[in-house]
Amino acid sequence: KAGVTQTPRYLIKTRGQQVTLSCSPISGHRSVSWYQQTPGQGLQFLFEYFSETQRNKGNFPGRFSGRQFSNSRSEMNVSTLELGDSALYLCASSSAGNSYEQYFGPGTRLTVT
Amino acid sequence: AQSVTQLGSHVSVSEGALVLLRCNYSSSVPPYLFWYVQYPNQGLQLLLKYTSAATLVKGINGFEAEFKKSETSFHLTKPSAHMSDAAEYFCAVLNQAGTALIFGKGTTLSVSS
Repeated sequence: KAGVTQTPRYLIKTRGQQVTLSCSPISGHRSVSWYQQTPGQGLQFLFEYFSETQRNKGNFPGRFSGRQFSNSRSEMNVSTLELGDSALYLCASSSAGNSYEQYFGPGTRLTVT
Repeated sequence: AQSVTQLGSHVSVSEGALVLLRCNYSSSVPPYLFWYVQYPNQGLQLLLKYTSAATLVKGINGFEAEFKKSETSFHLTKPSAHMSDAAEYFCAVLNQAGTALIFGKGTTLSVSS
């Protein structure tokens, strides 16, 4: 079975721009979660989707948004980028309705200049 | 609210020595606990999980962890370190809603020959 894939792997954006990251879960997995990883804050939960519905959201500003499609693929969008948004963004998928065993993709490294 | 604390941001061992990475959790409900490993420029790989079955959990690559409720601990061990074990290790607890992982700050393991 193919693992979780994330595109693109690397991105460089300028402050004020917006960015969209994509995640394809493991086949059959219906839950997708997003995390932000930075050296200072570590791994922080952004949001989780199950069957196209956002079930949970972390403590991030409204500039961070996401969605899930009917094929379980997910996208996250960050608008009005700030320098502090530079991070590794990780996507994880789970087969269970409660996401208790999550499998991670390789991440998208976003650099904001 | 759930939380995890990893004691020691950096652990160094010699090849062949015992590996012990410490994790303490806080949870108002029986926890689901996880250990993940992250190699440079990669996503997180699940090492093992505790889901209220056996208290001694065996994972991949020779790692195991013991759930001790009285000590609120879930320490990760490996009898004999290998150079390939050098990586960053994260302990995590599933949130009460079952929709997000709450991670510790991580422990970097260095293995010297």
